[in-house]
Amino acid sequence: EPEVTQTPSHQVTQMGQEVILRCVPISNHLYFYWYRQILGQKVEFLVSFYNNEISEKSEIFDDQFSVERPDGSNFTLKIRSTKLEDSAMYFCASRNLVTTDTQYFGPGTRLTVL
Amino acid sequence: GDSVTQMEGPVTLSEEAFLTINCTYTATGYPSLFWYVQYPGEGLQLLLKATKADDKGSNKGFEATYRKETTSFHLEKGSVQVSDSAVYFCALSDPNTGTASKLTFGTGTRLQVTL
Repeated sequence: EPEVTQTPSHQVTQMGQEVILRCVPISNHLYFYWYRQILGQKVEFLVSFYNNEISEKSEIFDDQFSVERPDGSNFTLKIRSTKLEDSAMYFCASRNLVTTDTQYFGPGTRLTVL
Repeated sequence: GDSVTQMEGPVTLSEEAFLTINCTYTATGYPSLFWYVQYPGEGLQLLLKATKADDKGSNKGFEATYRKETTSFHLEKGSVQVSDSAVYFCALSDPNTGTASKLTFGTGTRLQVTL
């Protein structure tokens, strides 16, 4: 069964550094999402992406964040200058075009900012 | 805006006990409703869903019925197992928020099942 994959599983970085989190969505899916979960808290929506542009973004998704689909398979989340409060689990998700509203999640990348 | 409210955890049950995790929602339109499960150290897995009023989603012995009149989507299982220990998230997807239909999650309810 196809699945969403994410790399790395754990990323440790110093405050102020740039990080790129990578995701490979399910191959025939066209909607892509990033969510984050700060330890012990709820899962929060960051951004959705369709047709090579952002469809919607939350208040969390400020100028420090960007997303990109650099090729036909990868979907990346870049944090330009990490802050301590960016420490969280970041989940990528993808969805088929119109046949279903179900989002399929990857296993997540745990980001630790020191 | 849309919101999901779940009962506070943790919920601790003995094996074979009956489980109910309450979930209520607020949405502007007619959302689809989901239960996701997160096992220790893993990501989110879709457990079940319902897309319209009175629909019942079911999977692995879990059930939830979309109740529009009470804006609820309570999760139930007749006999829990130790392997059901996980965090359960109720979520909604509101098509009125746009075609991308982001998910809005509840806070999650941790279930601990003991022998």
